[in-house]
Amino acid sequence: DIQMTQSPSSVSASVGDRVTITCRASQGISSWLAWYQQKPGRAPKLLIYAASSLQSGVPSRFSGSGSGTDFTLTISSLQPEDFATYYCQQANSFPYTFGQGTKLEIK
Amino acid sequence: EVQLLESGGGLVQPGGSLRLSCGASGFTFGFTFSSYAMSWVRQAPGKGLEWVSAISGSGDNTYYVDSVKGRFTISRDNSKNTLYLQMNSLRAEDTAVYYCAKVTRGLDYWGQGSLVTVSS
Repeated sequence: DIQMTQSPSSVSASVGDRVTITCRASQGISSWLAWYQQKPGRAPKLLIYAASSLQSGVPSRFSGSGSGTDFTLTISSLQPEDFATYYCQQANSFPYTFGQGTKLEIK
Repeated sequence: EVQLLESGGGLVQPGGSLRLSCGASGFTFGFTFSSYAMSWVRQAPGKGLEWVSAISGSGDNTYYVDSVKGRFTISRDNSKNTLYLQMNSLRAEDTAVYYCAKVTRGLDYWGQGSLVTVSS
């Protein structure tokens, strides 16, 4: 199975900050990577698919990059509603696997 | 807009069985429920997301995480726009909120989740 490792596990930031979260796959997954945002008590929401494609309706301050084994999610200017937990997920091969999550907290 | 609604969760004793359902609606532009693969994802209390299972649009192909192989069965009834997860031989570690999700280039639509608690 492909292991997905996110870093950091948690990060504190302020409104307006630029934040980057990384995700590393244990083997190459081409661009088969998605990013999700989850708020407490809510279902996850798809932000990015195919490593860098923005899902419809997602603000343009979110962006994704990378291919192969190393990927990043960047939020260019944090807004109050962005404080949540973020997960990466590989869709290269079954079983699809998620990273352990990155909790983005208000500083 | 696509809507997914899970049902069937609850409290069950270890070794017991439960069947989750996920009703789908809102497909448009010539696409139907059978056009899409579907997936189940779970989240144990206070933990991260774990992909559990997926099924192709036709239902011919199914996939599972190792921890549920031989115990869980995913299926679908395209005439009823419904996805199922039959869970047998349940263990305490299966306690989680179970989400169904539609598969495209990611899991783009999710249900609200159904809580399964395995406890004596």
